[in-house]
Amino acid sequence: DGGITQSPKYLFRKEGQNVTLSCEQNLNHDAMYWYRQDPGQGLRLIYYSQIVNDFQKGDIAEGYSVSREKKESFPLTVTSAQKNPTAFYLCASSIENSGRNIQYFGAGTRLSVL
Amino acid sequence: AQSVTQLDSQVPVFEEAPVELRCNYSSSVSVYLFWYVQYPNQGLQLLLKYLSGSTLVKGINGFEAEFNKSQTSFHLRKPSVHISDTAEYFCAVILNTGFQKLVFGTGTRLLVSP
Repeated sequence: DGGITQSPKYLFRKEGQNVTLSCEQNLNHDAMYWYRQDPGQGLRLIYYSQIVNDFQKGDIAEGYSVSREKKESFPLTVTSAQKNPTAFYLCASSIENSGRNIQYFGAGTRLSVL
Repeated sequence: AQSVTQLDSQVPVFEEAPVELRCNYSSSVSVYLFWYVQYPNQGLQLLLKYLSGSTLVKGINGFEAEFNKSQTSFHLRKPSVHISDTAEYFCAVILNTGFQKLVFGTGTRLLVSP
């Protein structure tokens, strides 16, 4: 089955702790993205990567870090510097269609603070 | 800067009734338009997209949308809704320039009741 797998589905963070959210895709897509979703605010872009070993900050990168060592994987670390981490996190990857990037999403990880 | 406006945060409708979810955008350059659907605690699923060509776009689950350049709108419609259409619907745009960042509206919750 081709797709985007996010794990875990639910995650709890203690005060001062870093946590890492996993995102794996087997679609052979070049670009990958991380979004944060809060109620009533839609989705906001945290980081994106257009190619292996390269990534760029999105609109709300503070308190987050990423790596892109393999094409299939784009893990997101929520650091202790992120003071309000409770949210639904969505990973996406994209393929080019007629010169446009069409993004497809994973099922998400819900992060809560203990 | 581009933006996407979904004026209705919630749309209640009875089963088998028609529905229209409104989306307006602002951009000084040409855009590409998308509608995504999100069921509770799940990721986003692509409903339909407008890249070029016919302004009437048909998607999955019986939904369609019409791109209106003069009114900068991309409203989503379905002639007869089902209970299973209850979900959150997001309109999104990407610019036809530079990095193709996907910008989302704040979402419209469609509530279908019997």
